[in-house]
Amino acid sequence: SQKIEQNSEALNIQEGKTATLTCNYTNYSPAYLQWYRQDPGRGPVFLLLIRENEKEKRKERLKVTFDTTLKQSLFHITASQPADSATYLCALGPQGGGYQKVTFGTGTKLQVIP
Amino acid sequence: GAVVSQHPSWVICKSGTSVKIECRSLDFQATTMFWYRQFPKQSLMLMATSNEGSKATYEQGVEKDKFLINHASLTLSTLTVTSAHPEDSSFYICSATPGRGGLNEQFFGPGTRLTVL
Repeated sequence: SQKIEQNSEALNIQEGKTATLTCNYTNYSPAYLQWYRQDPGRGPVFLLLIRENEKEKRKERLKVTFDTTLKQSLFHITASQPADSATYLCALGPQGGGYQKVTFGTGTKLQVIP
Repeated sequence: GAVVSQHPSWVICKSGTSVKIECRSLDFQATTMFWYRQFPKQSLMLMATSNEGSKATYEQGVEKDKFLINHASLTLSTLTVTSAHPEDSSFYICSATPGRGGLNEQFFGPGTRLTVL
């Protein structure tokens, strides 16, 4: 069965540095991958989507890469700020695309230290 | 735009009672709504998918008679936890998307914290 792995340990990073979060998956070939942000006690907020035929996607200070050979996505936040502290979830879209049911990873908690 | 609300934000109930959670898309028509459950420090687990006007599709292991889902309109879906027990205590989150297919992002509600005593 498909498996999604995100670093369960919290990532602590100094303000201003680039934070890099990893999402690895096995036994699956998703048509797309999404990244969400979740604050404590709140629902996730969509950040970025990258398709299987895209290598990289950017949005303001965010950058996502998608390596279908390595079965890995990297999520980067440049010039990180304390307000970026949250849990970040990756979610895999279905194989072949279409119907938008996604499967979520467990998330990585990011703490940006002032 | 694309705001999804949930009500209530938290609820405490006695074991054996039923609890209804509402999920509304406030500024768009949600063809599809999803219901998730999230336990502490765990991922969101999809419980069911509901399309307006049709029966919900439940994930494996989710009891459809216990978790009743109604998607009566394009802006409202409800989840009723029937005969709730302490093990049903969790964070329930709904999401909505305007399309049936494609790559539409999901817009999540703020979640409902259910505590069953």
